[in-house]
Amino acid sequence: SYELTQPPSVSVSPGQTATITCSGDKLGDNNVCWYQQKPGQSPLLVIHQYTKRPSGIPERFSGSNSGDTATLTISDTQAVDEADYYCQAWHTSTVVFGGGTKLTV
Amino acid sequence: HVQLQESGPGLVKPSQTLSLTCTVSGASTTSDSYYWGWIRQPAGRGLEWIGRIYYTGSTRYNPSLQNRVAISLDTSKNQFSLKLTSVTATDTAVYYCVGCSDMSCQGGFDSWGPGTLVTVSS
Repeated sequence: SYELTQPPSVSVSPGQTATITCSGDKLGDNNVCWYQQKPGQSPLLVIHQYTKRPSGIPERFSGSNSGDTATLTISDTQAVDEADYYCQAWHTSTVVFGGGTKLTV
Repeated sequence: HVQLQESGPGLVKPSQTLSLTCTVSGASTTSDSYYWGWIRQPAGRGLEWIGRIYYTGSTRYNPSLQNRVAISLDTSKNQFSLKLTSVTATDTAVYYCVGCSDMSCQGGFDSWGPGTLVTVSS
């Protein structure tokens, strides 16, 4: 089965840049989305198609892709960004999620 | 703006069938512009895709659940439903109904219900 690998946790100081990676075989040939989930809430789409931000998502959220790794970057990280982040991709018409990364600010 | 709301029993006995319904507002389940699905999340763990259904009734399921899962549409009520048979404690999770505002879902799951906790226990 296809797997996406994320670091379990990332820590960043307020105002700094947070980087969360997502690795998978030939991920660069795929479409990657990122979701933010705060405790007790449903996930929220923050990046789709590698780099696109849905309406209402702050510009400090950005996405990129290189080879087998997709990256979510949060610039000028704020306390409100503390959450779990999940990457998501497609494999043979099914959906796969990464294990999630807990971002601590 | 699409809104989704899950409903169904919060407690299911082992070996029985888990049944949930998602009521859609702000969009039609007969629209060819949407992708409807289910995702679950055990407490303290990650997200797991269960499956999806198109307006045509065409379905696709997670291979790990394929033998036990069925998703269906009730267009007269603007709802879609999940059935998971032969449940065990490992099926205990928060279940989310989700939607994509493009049928390919390449734009990601942009609509989520609030989630409903289903516990499998005798």
